[in-house]
Amino acid sequence: GESVGLHLPTLSVQEGDNSIINCAYSNSASDYFIWYKQESGKGPQFIIDIRSNMDKRQGQRVTVLLNKTVKHLSLQIAATQPGDSAVYFCALLGGGGGFKTIFGAGTRLFVKA
Amino acid sequence: EPEVTQTPSHQVTQMGQEVILRCVPISNHLYFYWYRQILGQKVEFLVSFYNNEISEKSEIFDDQFSVERPDGSNFTLKIRSTKLEDSAMYFCASSVAENEKLFFGSGTQLSVL
Repeated sequence: GESVGLHLPTLSVQEGDNSIINCAYSNSASDYFIWYKQESGKGPQFIIDIRSNMDKRQGQRVTVLLNKTVKHLSLQIAATQPGDSAVYFCALLGGGGGFKTIFGAGTRLFVKA
Repeated sequence: EPEVTQTPSHQVTQMGQEVILRCVPISNHLYFYWYRQILGQKVEFLVSFYNNEISEKSEIFDDQFSVERPDGSNFTLKIRSTKLEDSAMYFCASSVAENEKLFFGSGTQLSVL
């Protein structure tokens, strides 16, 4: 079956610094990748996505990088702010997992003022 | 901005009792999902629903679970006879298409005593 993993369970950064959250996946047939942010007591919220025909996509202060060769996904947050403190999940669709979204374990981001 | 709404926000029940968790997906979405999250763990897929039938379900979604779309707006998850291990946050989600990002509700925290 599909599996999604994260390299670090927690990440602590200084306010204003850039954050990088990493994710590895196992099925090379996966074709759609999404980052979700979950704040305490809330449901996951979409941040940014990328399809397998791309290797980079940028949003407002966030960038997702996809390396299909090594099956690795990363989320970069520029100028991290206290409001970015949350758990970040990578998720994927396709690749034998049907059309259900499969979530990774999550990385908790702490932003120090 | 349209959102997925879930009720109740908290549900406490005795082991063996039936519970119904309710959701109102985003109105123009066609795919509906239930996920659960045990405290501190990742978001786990339970079931997907499209065109008034289950399209996919996980191993967690056993005979004690059922879903229903009783009218044009509500989407419910029923647990027939709750167990202690059913205690979790249950998230409803919807998407406009099957290979698209999910929009999540704020969840129902289910506590089985």
